[in-house]
This record gives sequence, structure tokens and C-alpha cells, in this order.
Amino acid sequence: DAGVIQSPRHEVTEMGQEVTLRCKPISGHNSLFWYRQTMMRGLELLIYFNNNVPIDDSGMPEDRFSAKMPNASFSTLKIQPSEPRDSAVYFCASSFRGRGEAFFGQGTRLTVV
Amino acid sequence: QQQVKQSPQSLIVQKGGISIINCAYENTAFDYFPWYQQFPGKGPALLIAIRPDVSEKKEGRFTISFNKSAKQFSLHIMDSQPGDSATYFCAAISGNQFYFGTGTSLTVIP
Repeated sequence: DAGVIQSPRHEVTEMGQEVTLRCKPISGHNSLFWYRQTMMRGLELLIYFNNNVPIDDSGMPEDRFSAKMPNASFSTLKIQPSEPRDSAVYFCASSFRGRGEAFFGQGTRLTVV
Repeated sequence: QQQVKQSPQSLIVQKGGISIINCAYENTAFDYFPWYQQFPGKGPALLIAIRPDVSEKKEGRFTISFNKSAKQFSLHIMDSQPGDSATYFCAAISGNQFYFGTGTSLTVIP
């Protein structure tokens, strides 16, 4: 398996624009997580899905952020409108519920100017 | 509220020395404790993990020590090497509730 695949790897956008980050989890995994990493706040859990259903989105910073998982092999994290303070590395991770380990993608480095 | 407290924030060790990173938790429902290693530009990668029914787990130069009564666990890196320089995260898991520590930046000096 190729692991968790995220795209794009880097994204530079202007303030106010819509940004969509994409994630393909490991085949067979039934849980998917979106994290944001910054120097100031470390790794923050934004949202996680179990069997394509959002279970906990309490980490989503505000209404500008939304996440979907239309099927078991694809998820998106959308920011609309984007702001400079959204600049961070966004990670997607997947796991098989009950196994404990989460496997991370390479991340998307987002820069909002 | 920080579910998992990790220390130190940064650590500098001589090559060949022992690196020790500590974590503490409060929720006794946690039943799995992994450590992740992250190199610059990469995602965190699972390094080693332990369940609370054992007090120690060793894999090569990496050892987790677990103290259930104190609700603490630590990562020991023996014979630290420059290639071990990375950020290390502890985590505590209950079901699908993942909680990460704030990370420790380890630098191993040649």
C-alpha cells in the first residue's frame, strides 16, 4: 500500500480564496483524521471520521472550515474564505478502529498571503 | 485541557548518550500509548507503542517505560545517533480518541 496520500503537498493562496485539501486513506482503514500543525500549537485534531461519518468536529476552528468524506477512499478539508492565520501544515491520518496506530500522510503545507 | 503532557520541549544529547522523553496523562481510559517520530517535511511516523498491561517494551535502541500507577510513560533512546534528530510525540488513545503530546525536538550532536 502507498500509505496515506495527500494533495497538494504545497499550496499558496491569497487571503479570501477557497482552499481544498485532499486525502486518500490507506485501503481498509475505517477511521480518518485531519490534523493541523503549527509551531505555536503543535498537532491539533480538527475532525475525525469513522466509517465515513464525522464523529468529532470540535477541533474545527470555525465555520470557515468544513470536511467531507463521501466514501471510504477520499476526504476533503475545505477552508473558505482562507485567512493568513490558517497557514500551517495539514495532515491527514487513517487507522483501523481498534488497532491503535494512526498512519499519517506527508502533509499539505498551506500558506495564505 | 492538555490530555497528555510531554517534556522536555527540546533536548540536546551527545552522540552515544541516552535521550529520555517523558509523558503524563490523566484519563485512565487510555489503553494504547504510541510514540511518533517526525522528520522535517514529513508526517509523524509510528515508532513504538505499548499497552498498559506491560511495564516496558523494547525495540532495538528504543524503549518505552510505562508506570500505570503514576500515569506516566517515557521513551528512552539508547546510544543516540545524529540520525535520531527529529521531533518526538507521545500519544494516548482510547477507542478512536487520539491525544498527542506537544512534541520534543531532539538534537543529537556528533
